Amino acid sequence: ELKVEQNPLFLSMQEGKNYTIYCNYSTTSDRLYWYRQDPGKSLESLFVLLSNGAVKQEGRLMASLDTKARLSTLHITAAVHDLSATYFCAHSTASKLTFGTGTRLQVTL
Amino acid sequence: EAGVAQSPRYKIIEKRQSVAFWCNPISGHATLYWYQQILGQGPKLLIQFQNNGVVDDSQLPKDRFSAERLKGVDSTLKIQPAKLEDSAVYLCASSLTLGQYNEQFFGPGTRLTVL
Repeated sequence: ELKVEQNPLFLSMQEGKNYTIYCNYSTTSDRLYWYRQDPGKSLESLFVLLSNGAVKQEGRLMASLDTKARLSTLHITAAVHDLSATYFCAHSTASKLTFGTGTRLQVTL
Repeated sequence: EAGVAQSPRYKIIEKRQSVAFWCNPISGHATLYWYQQILGQGPKLLIQFQNNGVVDDSQLPKDRFSAERLKGVDSTLKIQPAKLEDSAVYLCASSLTLGQYNEQFFGPGTRLTVL
């Protein structure tokens, strides 16, 4: 059975500091997605990682994929308040997405 | 380009009642998905359609949940009768077609509360 695990589940971040969220999955994947979800809102796609060693960056967020280790990371550089949200990774095989448990980020001054 | 539309946005019912949700996917998208997202968890796929045919409904509780996409466009998801544990956000998503290169786009969701 496919498992997608994220850690930590909750992250309290200080503004200006760097943090990393980890996403481990148990079976091979076609691709790996990262989504953001604000409270009461739907899912916003952040990154799609297609192959081993893929790295994508947008603003203060950078995602990477290591297919051999079955690990993806989402790195936050110099956290700011508007990054507060819940972040999900999702494993993709064919057309099926399996989501991780989510990591709730809270940025404090 | 219009996104995925869902209605209603919120619904409160009592247990054992019935409820239905509606989804209109992005125009031209052949594949439609329904997900259940329980508070504090990631979305879980309930059912996947390709046009008007079911591709995967392995995680749909078929004793109480049903879904259809009769004309291959709009879809409805029904729960009958509802249980307390059905309280969740029901997300609809669509993609151009099946296959690993087709990104899913999500609607705003319907938040269901069962009392």
